[in-house]
Amino acid sequence: DSGVTQTPKHLITATGQRVTLRCSPRSGDLSVYWYQQSLDQGLQFLIQYYNGEERAKGNILERFSAQQFPDLHSELNLSSLELGDSALYFCASSVSYSGAGEQYFGPGTRLTVT
Amino acid sequence: ILNVEQSPQSLHVQEGDSTNFTCSFPSSNFYALHWYRWETAKSPEALFVMTLNGDEKKKGRISATLNTKEGYSYLYIKGSQPEDSATYLCAFWDSGGYQKVTFGIGTKLQVIP
Repeated sequence: DSGVTQTPKHLITATGQRVTLRCSPRSGDLSVYWYQQSLDQGLQFLIQYYNGEERAKGNILERFSAQQFPDLHSELNLSSLELGDSALYFCASSVSYSGAGEQYFGPGTRLTVT
Repeated sequence: ILNVEQSPQSLHVQEGDSTNFTCSFPSSNFYALHWYRWETAKSPEALFVMTLNGDEKKKGRISATLNTKEGYSYLYIKGSQPEDSATYLCAFWDSGGYQKVTFGIGTKLQVIP
């Protein structure tokens, strides 16, 4: 158990809908990263927050947004969902704001868009 | 788009064999390289964070080396055991102002008892 929690574990929704994925980092970690793993693709970095502020952005679509709250939990909002958004979404936390620190991955949320 | 390549894509070894795989990454703008172990139906587990050219890290039977000048890292497993069966991922962190991470697709290791 990495100490990172993600909810829900599974989510099934229809095209055009909006969903929110939630992540609670390990105690003491200020950084939260969001990743997407689609079928037959490697992990893709979406976005990073550090202590409430956006720190780095990867291949995140405009339909997706994220935020980190004062208690350091983070939410990833996915809107106008398309079939291609079906994927496993991981969050990871780290004590570091940079790549110099170990990352601890949560169990993931599997999103299925029908 | 940064190119992070891992080879081989998959590997079958006998229990007790030693093995190694490669992660190749851009030799410029290097900040850090991470190695992960990812078992089926679980989430990636951090193995090593490597930041300096010439870094060598070890954890039990698993070790890694780093050459930032030529853009590669090797992961070695000595005396493979069935429980080492997993996908091994590397992740390249660039040193740009808006730091990003790029993952390789992984090397899938199967250790045959």
